[in-house]
Amino acid sequence: SQKIEQNSEALNIQEGKTATLTCNYTNYSPAYLQWYRQDPGRGPVFLLLIRENEKEKRKERLKVTFDTTLKQSLFHITASQPADSATYLCALGRRGNKLVFGAGTILRVKS
Amino acid sequence: DGGITQSPKYLFRKEGQNVTLSCEQNLNHDAMYWYRQDPGQGLRLIYYSQIVNDFQKGDIAEGYSVSREKKESFPLTVTSAQKNPTAFYLCASSINRDGEEKLFFGSGTQLSVL
Repeated sequence: SQKIEQNSEALNIQEGKTATLTCNYTNYSPAYLQWYRQDPGRGPVFLLLIRENEKEKRKERLKVTFDTTLKQSLFHITASQPADSATYLCALGRRGNKLVFGAGTILRVKS
Repeated sequence: DGGITQSPKYLFRKEGQNVTLSCEQNLNHDAMYWYRQDPGQGLRLIYYSQIVNDFQKGDIAEGYSVSREKKESFPLTVTSAQKNPTAFYLCASSINRDGEEKLFFGSGTQLSVL
């Protein structure tokens, strides 16, 4: 069955630095990949979608890369702020199939 | 405000009791979903509905039931057959453009066993 791995340990970084989160997957060939943000006690919120034929996508301070050969996506937050502290989930999608979610990585940005 | 409304925020279940979690949306989305979230695990799909009066089991449907009598509403019942119900439950609706699905989530219901 498909497996999605995100860093199980929290990522702690200093304000102003770039945060990089990883999403690796096996036994799956997604047509697209999404990143969601989840705050404690809240539902996830959609951030970005990247397709299999796209190498990189940007939105303000966010950048996502998608390497289908490595079966990996990297999610970057530049100039990180304490308000960026949250759990970030990746999700894999394929037409005709339901989204498959990873467990998420906790990001803590310290001032 | 458009969105997904889940209630209650916190719910306690006694052994042998059925409880129902409410989910309402005013986004006019056809598809709705129920997920379960446990610490350290990805979201797991319980049930989903693509259209009114129709729904399908997800990966972990045992011990749960749903109904979809109205487009706006998709309640989830956690039955006494679900032996480990303590979890954070998330309802979502989705739009699908060119085969790409984007989910909109509610704020969740934390269910605990007394």
